[in-house]
Amino acid sequence: ETGVTQTPRHLVMGMTNKKSLKCEQHLGHNAMYWYKQSAKKPLELMFVYNFKEQTENNSVPSRFSPECPNSSHLFLHLHTLQPEDSALYLCASSPSADTQYFGPGTRLTVL
Amino acid sequence: GIQVEQSPPDLILQEGANSTLRCNFSDSVNNLQWFHQNPWGQLINLFYIPSGTKQNGRLSATTVATERYSLLYISSSQTTDSGVYFCAVVRSTDKLIFGTGTRLQVFP
Repeated sequence: ETGVTQTPRHLVMGMTNKKSLKCEQHLGHNAMYWYKQSAKKPLELMFVYNFKEQTENNSVPSRFSPECPNSSHLFLHLHTLQPEDSALYLCASSPSADTQYFGPGTRLTVL
Repeated sequence: GIQVEQSPPDLILQEGANSTLRCNFSDSVNNLQWFHQNPWGQLINLFYIPSGTKQNGRLSATTVATERYSLLYISSSQTTDSGVYFCAVVRSTDKLIFGTGTRLQVFP
């Protein structure tokens, strides 16, 4: 248990659906991150938020839309995804620039 | 950008065996972390080790920053050690750059 929670843990959606992934931490961390982990590929950083402001968008397609309403919550809104977007989506939070703590992930399948 | 390479890519052990996992990085770094990802996808921090040696139970890690590598030692391996081990480095920003991982399978 790292103190970072993610819901849902599993999600199956069609290409025309709209869904959202949620990440929550009450560790007092100021930075939160979304990562994508596809099969046989390294973790890819998607977005970084520091003090609720987006500081990094790693060339992510616009069908992924992050939202950080406060420093404890981070969302990833999904719409018109493609089958190749199927992956494990991991959220992390950090008290500093160096050490990150990960949630359990949401395993997403796009049909 | 910085390259992070891990070896071996796959490792199969019998319970009780010892192993060494290696992480090489192509440039100087501010920080290095080792993670274990269990079969359910959860990433667990093992070590925060920009330099030197640390030990935690059966696991220990050594980073030689001047030579740009880090080693993770697992002694007396158990089946619960199975999963993927990642090293990740940080340079000048807060971006963690992950290696490709070492997949470890420990059989009874």
